[in-house]
Amino acid sequence: GDSVTQMEGPVTLSEEAFLTINCTYTATGYPSLFWYVQYPGEGLQLLLKATKADDKGSNKGFEATYRKETTSFHLEKGSVQVSDSAVYFCALRNRGYNKLIFGAGTRLAVHP
Amino acid sequence: EAGVTQFPSHSVIEKGQTVTLRCDPISGHDNLYWYRRVMGKEIKFLLHFVKESKQDESGMPNNRFLAERTGGTYSTLKVQPAELEDSGVYFCASSPRHEAWDEQFFGPGTRLTVL
Repeated sequence: GDSVTQMEGPVTLSEEAFLTINCTYTATGYPSLFWYVQYPGEGLQLLLKATKADDKGSNKGFEATYRKETTSFHLEKGSVQVSDSAVYFCALRNRGYNKLIFGAGTRLAVHP
Repeated sequence: EAGVTQFPSHSVIEKGQTVTLRCDPISGHDNLYWYRRVMGKEIKFLLHFVKESKQDESGMPNNRFLAERTGGTYSTLKVQPAELEDSGVYFCASSPRHEAWDEQFFGPGTRLTVL
């Protein structure tokens, strides 16, 4: 069945460092891909999404490109801030299905 | 516009007891979803309502879990009797439509601890 694999955390970075969180997926057809973020004490929020191959989702300085050839949707940010400390979840949703399929989440800690 | 709300935020119960979780979706959202995250693992789908009807309950782990959405507004998820492995964070989400590219709006979750 469909699945999402993302890099294990925690990831610890200094402020202004470059961030990459790897995400790969297995799916039939052409799923939509998402990154959700959970800040401490809050619910999941959609960070960005891409609905077809080669689409780039972007928001708040974060970017991810839908790579069908490598079945990947890696999350990147050029310069992280302390306020980016959160848990990041990669997810997919296939056409004809209602559910989101999530990876295990990657905790990011950014220190000054 | 109010977001998805869940109650309680945290529940601690003994094994064998019953717990009922509540979710209030965003007003006007016909689609309501339940997910849970157990032991820091991936978030897993439990079920999906369209209005008051169960569209997909393929993720419900067993018959100790019962979800309802009377009147197509709020939803409850009852666990009876609770077991240790039911501990985790239960998330509710809602959306106005259910296209593959649509955003699902999540609540803050209910953390359930079964002792």
